[in-house]
Amino acid sequence: GAVVSQHPSWVICKSGTSVKIECRSLDFQATTMFWYRQFPKQSLMLMATSNEGSKATYEQGVEKDKFLINHASLTLSTLTVTSAHPEDSSFYICSARDRGTRRQETQYFGPGTRLLVL
Amino acid sequence: DAKTTQPTSMDCAEGRAANLPCNHSTISGNEYVYWYRQIHSQGPQYIIHGLKNNETNEMASLIITEDRKSSTLILPHATLRDTAVYYCIVSPLLGGTSYGKLTFGQGTILTVHP
Repeated sequence: GAVVSQHPSWVICKSGTSVKIECRSLDFQATTMFWYRQFPKQSLMLMATSNEGSKATYEQGVEKDKFLINHASLTLSTLTVTSAHPEDSSFYICSARDRGTRRQETQYFGPGTRLLVL
Repeated sequence: DAKTTQPTSMDCAEGRAANLPCNHSTISGNEYVYWYRQIHSQGPQYIIHGLKNNETNEMASLIITEDRKSSTLILPHATLRDTAVYYCIVSPLLGGTSYGKLTFGQGTILTVHP
């Protein structure tokens, strides 16, 4: 159990275009989802916290108008990278917290989406 | 959030126990200790977590010292597939703006060799 999927697994786009990444919890409901970014040879950095039915909370230094997050249901959150540029190329990973009992204490991660902006 | 200190890298022979230490001397009473691992080019995988008591599951055991200032993750019989970066993270239990946030450090690169 506790499976999180992401789509697509990788994407290549031209500079200036927008890219949408989906994060789904497959076998549980997630009131909270998190979006992380990881550059090569670096650790994961939290970008934003996404709560179902409300606006996302962004970490300091993350542009909310550039990284649009929508959490419309208990099983789906989307991250849209608007007007992507080469410096946005990275590994984007989502996680979800199970609203159930003990599992609510734990975040489960998706497999990640690798974005390359040319 | 409390910070953690882990060795940069460790080696382990296949079939032997891997003991990964973590120091979290500034941990607060409402913070859990979490362990995740990340195999190259994949999302992190949850291993185990605990608050005060030692914990065991099908993957590993977590030993937390009585003063909660350090912990050890034990992989009882390491395999080549356990080669990964292991992250020790402390995170608040409930309340406040930090609830549920996981702050990843650099972790420990565990290499299991034949």
